[in-house]
Amino acid sequence: DIQMTQSPSSLSASVGDRVTITCRASQSISGYLNWYQQKPGKAPKFLIYAASNLQSGVPSRFSGSGSGTDFTLTISSLQPEDFATYYCQQSYNTPYTFGQGTKLEIK
Amino acid sequence: QVQLQESGPGLVKPSQTLSLTCTVSGGSITRGGDYWTWIRQHPGKGLEWIGYIYYSGTTYYNPSLKSRVTISADSSKNQFSLNLSSVTVADTAVYYCVRERADYGSAVDYWGQGTLVTVSS
Repeated sequence: DIQMTQSPSSLSASVGDRVTITCRASQSISGYLNWYQQKPGKAPKFLIYAASNLQSGVPSRFSGSGSGTDFTLTISSLQPEDFATYYCQQSYNTPYTFGQGTKLEIK
Repeated sequence: QVQLQESGPGLVKPSQTLSLTCTVSGGSITRGGDYWTWIRQHPGKGLEWIGYIYYSGTTYYNPSLKSRVTISADSSKNQFSLNLSSVTVADTAVYYCVRERADYGSAVDYWGQGTLVTVSS
């Protein structure tokens, strides 16, 4: 299985901050990297597919980049509703696997 | 707008079979290019991909669960189902049924709300 490692595991930031979350794959996954946001008690929400493609309706302050093994999710200016846990997922090889999550908390 | 809804027992005894059904509305499970998938999340933990069924009937299961998992579909009811046999407390989790879309590189674009299944005697 392809292992996905996110860093940091948790992050404290303030409204208006720019934050970056990193996801690293144990082998090349080309651009088959997706990002999700999950709030407590809710199902994850689809944000970005194929590393950098924003799903319809997702605010433009979210962006993704990367290819191969290293990827990033950037939120350009944090809003109160962005405090959540973020997961990356590779969909290059089955079984598809997720990172362990990055919990974004209010400072 | 596709909607998915899980249903099934919230409590299963150890060694028994966990059975869940996902009812899909707003879209057909027989549409090509969509994979109908189960994902689970252990309490307070990350996400684990269980497997999928394609409209052709093709299935793929996570090797870590393959010996215990069966995913099937009923196109007449627009439903797909998960059976997980010989459960233990380690199978306690929130189970999500989801759609993976090939157009999005197999990303999950729609999620059910999730259903908590507890394995306990």
